[in-house]
Amino acid sequence: GAVVSQHPSWVICKSGTSVKIECRSLDFQATTMFWYRQFPKQSLMLMATSNEGSKATYEQGVEKDKFLINHASLTLSTLTVTSAHPEDSSFYICSARGRLPGGYNEQFFGPGTRLTVL
Amino acid sequence: GDSVTQMEGPVTLSEEAFLTINCTYTATGYPSLFWYVQYPGEGLQLLLKATKADDKGSNKGFEATYRKETTSFHLEKGSVQVSDSAVYFCALSVDAGGTSYGKLTFGQGTILTVHP
Repeated sequence: GAVVSQHPSWVICKSGTSVKIECRSLDFQATTMFWYRQFPKQSLMLMATSNEGSKATYEQGVEKDKFLINHASLTLSTLTVTSAHPEDSSFYICSARGRLPGGYNEQFFGPGTRLTVL
Repeated sequence: GDSVTQMEGPVTLSEEAFLTINCTYTATGYPSLFWYVQYPGEGLQLLLKATKADDKGSNKGFEATYRKETTSFHLEKGSVQVSDSAVYFCALSVDAGGTSYGKLTFGQGTILTVHP
């Protein structure tokens, strides 16, 4: 299957600072990337969908000014948590989809980024 | 709205035991159903899927049957191994024609631990 990476795998920051998380598709072109958030013992909640070269579409209840998403290329999307607060501490997961050789078009997930805001 | 409910974990089994993880769903359309597995330190991987009623998805000894009448997609394996220890997620998608291409709605995940 295709590989999706995230960086960093974990980050600790002070309250009020901004944190950027990168999501890369390593061996295919991702026309769409999804960002999820996962709380302990809870499901993955979709935050937003981003298509390359266009603005992200946010799910209801997700603050777009708080969680800035950029999908500037077919292999990279970034999520920036602005002015982070302790309640933003969570596990953030990205996934990517795109057409692979043979027409395979599933969604592939990154390993996640653990954010802790002090 | 669409939702997925999984049996709560964690589930702890001895090697070679039989595994069942229950999953039920509600959906406004006709969903495709998926099981994902997440091994420690890795991303979610598609384990199996089913796209229509009575379909059975299978992979690596795991099976799940799409039961429209009971809106269920329970995951089973006849003999688990230590290497099956992971978190398992049930999910659905209603807008992707049988692939995981579209938006996925996930259950809360079930932690499985298998002891030797």
